[in-house]
Amino acid sequence: DGGITQSPKYLFRKEGQNVTLSCEQNLNHDAMYWYRQDPGQGLRLIYYSQIVNDFQKGDIAEGYSVSREKKESFPLTVTSAQKNPTAFYLCASRQGVNEKLFFGSGTQLSVL
Amino acid sequence: AQKITQTQPGMFVQEKEAVTLDCTYDTSDPSYGLFWYKQPSSGEMIFLIYQGSYDQQNATEGRYSLNFQKARKSANLVISASQLGDSAMYFCAMREGPYSGSARQLTFGSGTQLTVLP
Repeated sequence: DGGITQSPKYLFRKEGQNVTLSCEQNLNHDAMYWYRQDPGQGLRLIYYSQIVNDFQKGDIAEGYSVSREKKESFPLTVTSAQKNPTAFYLCASRQGVNEKLFFGSGTQLSVL
Repeated sequence: AQKITQTQPGMFVQEKEAVTLDCTYDTSDPSYGLFWYKQPSSGEMIFLIYQGSYDQQNATEGRYSLNFQKARKSANLVISASQLGDSAMYFCAMREGPYSGSARQLTFGSGTQLTVLP
């Protein structure tokens, strides 16, 4: 079945450590997105990519980095510069004309 | 100013009854799209329904309908015949501007937690 796979489901980060969240899709979608969700809040855009080897900053890109070397993959690195990384992270890809987003099941990142 | 406002942090509804979840939006762009997503406790976001700003009729998808009142800038979600499995967080979202290959992302509201009571 086609879909978006995020891993791991739970991730713990130590102080000063970089961690990478994986996002893989087999939907053949061009556009991919990373959102951050804090408790009781909506989703905020971190980064997005419209095409391979190209990506743009979203509203809260500071302390994060991404790459898009393959159409299927859009990993997110949470760097040590992100001082408040504890949140739920959702990856999404976009289908066609009506901008409907398909989402993965998310990664919960916590700081040790 | 908030682009998407959901004023109901939590809602309760009896099983088999209908419920309306409120959403108001703010945009000066004449072309936009409105979306509703459901987020169960598992965390995944599930697309429910879409309404384009130029659509003449309110969108419907099974038990979901969107009460689109353009002049009031509201896009309320109506769930008919609620089921226990409808208990989840519901998010309203907006895309501003016409769709294009470089169109940006959705802006989400803060969500409404719906609980369906047996």
